[in-house]
Amino acid sequence: DSGVTQTPKHLITATGQRVTLRCSPRSGDLSVYWYQQSLDQGLQFLIHYYNGEERAKGNILERFSAQQFPDLHSELNLSSLELGDSALYFCASSGTDEKTYEQYFGPGTRLTVT
Amino acid sequence: DAKTTQPNSMESNEEEPVHLPCNHSTISGTDYIHWYRQLPSQGPEYVIHGLTSNVNNRMASLAIAEDRKSSTLILHRATLRDAAVYYCILSPNNDMRFGAGTRLTVKP
Repeated sequence: DSGVTQTPKHLITATGQRVTLRCSPRSGDLSVYWYQQSLDQGLQFLIHYYNGEERAKGNILERFSAQQFPDLHSELNLSSLELGDSALYFCASSGTDEKTYEQYFGPGTRLTVT
Repeated sequence: DAKTTQPNSMESNEEEPVHLPCNHSTISGTDYIHWYRQLPSQGPEYVIHGLTSNVNNRMASLAIAEDRKSSTLILHRATLRDAAVYYCILSPNNDMRFGAGTRLTVKP
């Protein structure tokens, strides 16, 4: 158990819909990262937040957005969903220093778009 | 981003050492070498990272070439639980761009 929690575990929704994935980092961790893992694209970095502020963006679509709240939990919002958005979405957290290199990954949310 | 090259797959026998190679000829001076692994049906797991010197921790050792253009992750005694995809990643910070990795199979 990494200490990172993600909800829900599974999500099934239809094309065109909007969903919100939630991540609670390990206690004390200030950084949260989001990743998408699909069969054809592998593990893709989406976005990094540190203490509420966006720090880096990866391959995140404009239909996707994220935020980190004052209590440090984070949400990833996916809108206008397409079949290709079906994937595992992982959240990871790391420590109190922006340069803490060890990331702890949650168990993931499996999103299925039908 | 600097690119890494890893073999698609490797096999090892249980209780034997495993050396997982990673080539990164375009590494920059500020790039750290990170290793993560992903066991079946789980999220990735941190293994080790280093900059210039060899590193050891409870999970593995990281041997970095003197010119830093390659590195090797060493599992000293493979167990069945070490069967996973191993990712070698270069990053100057903590933003990880995962490649395809090496799928390690451990035979009993």
